[in-house]
Amino acid sequence: KAGVTQTPRYLIKTRGQQVTLSCSPISGHRSVSWYQQTPGQGLQFLFEYFSETQRNKGNFPGRFSGRQFSNSRSEMNVSTLELGDSALYLCASSWGFQGNEQFFGPGTRLTVL
Amino acid sequence: KNQVEQSPQSLIILEGKNCTLQCNYTVSPFSNLRWYKQDTGRGPVSLTIMTFSENTKSNGRYTATLDADTKQSSLHITASQLSDSASYICVVSAPNNNDMRFGAGTRLTVKP
Repeated sequence: KAGVTQTPRYLIKTRGQQVTLSCSPISGHRSVSWYQQTPGQGLQFLFEYFSETQRNKGNFPGRFSGRQFSNSRSEMNVSTLELGDSALYLCASSWGFQGNEQFFGPGTRLTVL
Repeated sequence: KNQVEQSPQSLIILEGKNCTLQCNYTVSPFSNLRWYKQDTGRGPVSLTIMTFSENTKSNGRYTATLDADTKQSSLHITASQLSDSASYICVVSAPNNNDMRFGAGTRLTVKP
């Protein structure tokens, strides 16, 4: 069974631009969660989607948004990029809700210049 | 204040030695506690998941223990290998399964 895939793996943007990251969960998984990981803050929860609905949201500004499609694939968008948005963005999928065992993708490394 | 504290922040051991990583949490009530291993530049991989009623769980050379009374967990690595070099992250979930708290991780380096 294929694992969680994320595209692109690496991305370089400049301040003020916007970016869209994509995540394809494991087949059959309906929950997709997004996390931001930085050396200083560690892993921080962004949001979770289940059956195309946002179930839970972390403490991030409105510049961070996401959506989930009917095939459970999910996208995350960050608008008006700031230098501090440079991070590894991880997507995790699970069969049920966020509390079930999650399987992480390899992440997208975003660098904002 | 982070509700999940891990110690030590970093650890260096020689190949073949054992080590123990600590996780103290204040999340209450709590549903389950997980340990993840994360190689540099990769996504975390689940090692163990324990509910509040479980005291210990093993996954090969990895053994996690949980004391729900003292709100402490440990991850014991036996006969370490070079491939064990990674960050180990403790994650505690609240019962509604919508609130996961992450520790900052312990960076383990295994040297030959």
